[in-house]
Amino acid sequence: GAGVSQTPSNKVTEKGKYVELRCDPISGHTALYWYRQSLGQGPEFLIYFQGTGAADDSGLPNDRFFAVRPEGSVSTLKIQRTERGDSAVYLCASSFYTGELFFGEGSRLTVL
Amino acid sequence: QQQVKQSPQSLIVQKGGISIINCAYENTAFDYFPWYQQFPGKGPALLIAIRPDVSEKKEGRFTISFNKSAKQFSLHIMDSQPGDSATYFCAASLINTGGFKTIFGAGTRLFVKA
Repeated sequence: GAGVSQTPSNKVTEKGKYVELRCDPISGHTALYWYRQSLGQGPEFLIYFQGTGAADDSGLPNDRFFAVRPEGSVSTLKIQRTERGDSAVYLCASSFYTGELFFGEGSRLTVL
Repeated sequence: QQQVKQSPQSLIVQKGGISIINCAYENTAFDYFPWYQQFPGKGPALLIAIRPDVSEKKEGRFTISFNKSAKQFSLHIMDSQPGDSATYFCAASLINTGGFKTIFGAGTRLFVKA
């Protein structure tokens, strides 16, 4: 009965570095979502997967951001050449067919 | 444009009072309207949700009122308690094939005074 698991919980990196954030969804959930939440703001949609494929990646801000879900379960959000403006909490959620999103606790990214 | 506007940004209510948070949306294609509650350091969690063919839904102390013609919906928290102090997000979803793209409002920080 585990929930959505995200690692790392905190990541501090330097400007220009590459970062990977991992999400392990609830077993059996077919859809997986990535959101970004800046301080004092609501979650901002980035991308969602249905199975292995990205069903909608319209929220990815630019080509430095990329996400994969190769086996339809675990997903990795990849950020190249990080910038200070990328600092935020990156939230992952999964869902079945009810519309309810089950969120993890997030990965807090700080770019120095 | 897919947008959800939420007000107020913050709200202070006395214990036992009614907390009211409002949202407005633009895209009439949205077909699922959830409210999420978030505590510091945690991810948002679903509180209550409504479909557009219903004008009101009540679960315990929480009620959603939905006005389809005005493209507005609101959350009412009756008998507000200090434990309700959290950030609340309204949201709107578009059903796509097998998934729900959910757009969130900016959030309302609720503080319930004991």
